[in-house]
Amino acid sequence: QLQLQESGPGLVKPSETLSLTCAVSGGPIRIGTYYWGWVRQPPGKGLEWIGSIYYSGRTHYNPSLESRVTISVDTSKNQFSLSLNFVTAADTAVYYCARHEVAAAAPDYWGQGTLVTVSS
Amino acid sequence: EVVMTQSPLSLPVTLGQPASISCRSSQSLVYSDGNTYLNWFQQRPGQSPRRLFYKVSDRDSGVPDRFSGSGSGTDFTLKISNVEAEDVGVYYCMQGTHWPPTFGGGTKVEIK
Repeated sequence: QLQLQESGPGLVKPSETLSLTCAVSGGPIRIGTYYWGWVRQPPGKGLEWIGSIYYSGRTHYNPSLESRVTISVDTSKNQFSLSLNFVTAADTAVYYCARHEVAAAAPDYWGQGTLVTVSS
Repeated sequence: EVVMTQSPLSLPVTLGQPASISCRSSQSLVYSDGNTYLNWFQQRPGQSPRRLFYKVSDRDSGVPDRFSGSGSGTDFTLKISNVEAEDVGVYYCMQGTHWPPTFGGGTKVEIK
């Protein structure tokens, strides 16, 4: 059974960089039919797509965040990572990592999510 | 970006009664390959989203058949034929046809 697990600091100061990692177990990340992505959810609010990465390193970012986001992949560790710089309180959210098919942005496996709070 | 509008915002339902959630997109969700990439997710309290349907009406494994997805173009519907207690949560539609993927604002299903 495929499992995704987010990890990283739960508290980040304003203007600094949020960094999260998603460890994938139960299957290889180096598989041609899937992208690996990040979705976030501010407390009590809806879902926002951040971006996705293919095992080759090809990325697609939400234009609303593109100037601040970097998603990377480490196939040797079977994990991928999110970096979001110059954070503000508006970036406070539960961050989910997820898998979706190349042909369709419809995540079928999700991590449990990790809350990141931006505060001094 | 494509705006997804769900209604109602809140849906109180009596156990055993049907429920229906509407989702409308600001643009057609028919892709150039002929598929319509409209998906439905369920998020139970304190849990991650769970995909229920992809491409409008393709049901995910383990999803009870009391759930159904339908629609075309810009208008879509998720129906629950007989609501059970485990169906409580927030339901989101999501389009994957146009980049970036976008979600509806959610419909909270609760038991009366």
